[in-house]
Amino acid sequence: EVQLAESGGGLVQPGGSLRLSCAASGFTFSSYAMSWVRQAPGKGLEWVSGISGRAGSTYYADSVKGRFTISRDNSKNTLYLQMKSLRAEDTAVYYCAKVSGGSGSYYLGYWGQGTLVTVSS
Amino acid sequence: QSVLTQPPSVSGAPGQRVTISCTGSSSNIGAGYDVHWYQQLPGTAPKLLIYGHSNRPSGVPDRFSGSKSGTSASLAITGLQAEDEADYYCQSYDSSLSGPGVFGTGTKVTVL
Repeated sequence: EVQLAESGGGLVQPGGSLRLSCAASGFTFSSYAMSWVRQAPGKGLEWVSGISGRAGSTYYADSVKGRFTISRDNSKNTLYLQMKSLRAEDTAVYYCAKVSGGSGSYYLGYWGQGTLVTVSS
Repeated sequence: QSVLTQPPSVSGAPGQRVTISCTGSSSNIGAGYDVHWYQQLPGTAPKLLIYGHSNRPSGVPDRFSGSKSGTSASLAITGLQAEDEADYYCQSYDSSLSGPGVFGTGTKVTVL
């Protein structure tokens, strides 16, 4: 059974940093691309970042480019999102998700339960 | 502002059929890229409902079906049940954007 468990969320001041983790189990972690998707309170879904299975390629939404860094440790079956220079508009629930499909047809087959990041003074 | 537009809300009585549209353009749905659908029950994480236009993951009831025509896609729920009350999002790929996918604006389904 695929399981994804995020951790690391919390309250942080504007300009601060936070690192999210996502522990994966139930599948061959290194064989799959992974992504982070966020949802601001009462808003829709935003695909924030993604990383290939071997970490050879990454993606960042324009809204977080230059401030967020996605990485993975395939020996620990763990996905990370390092967030710096946080802004109030980064306040959201952050979900990690397992990517399926292929180029032009990626979809998110499994999601974690999410971790809340609140940026406020 | 998403490139995939959904109606903010749809509603129906138990047992009825409701449809949710996902309107795109020639750089996404109209270009032939697959459309996927997610269901988000209140207070929970999204869950994959339909992938590749019309395929259901194991465990998803066949009351849910997807289709595509031109630059739009649709999710149909037949035999609407109280537990179907949720937010629904479409997702596809857009060749004019740099990301692996883009979500629709989301639709709240209310069971009357």
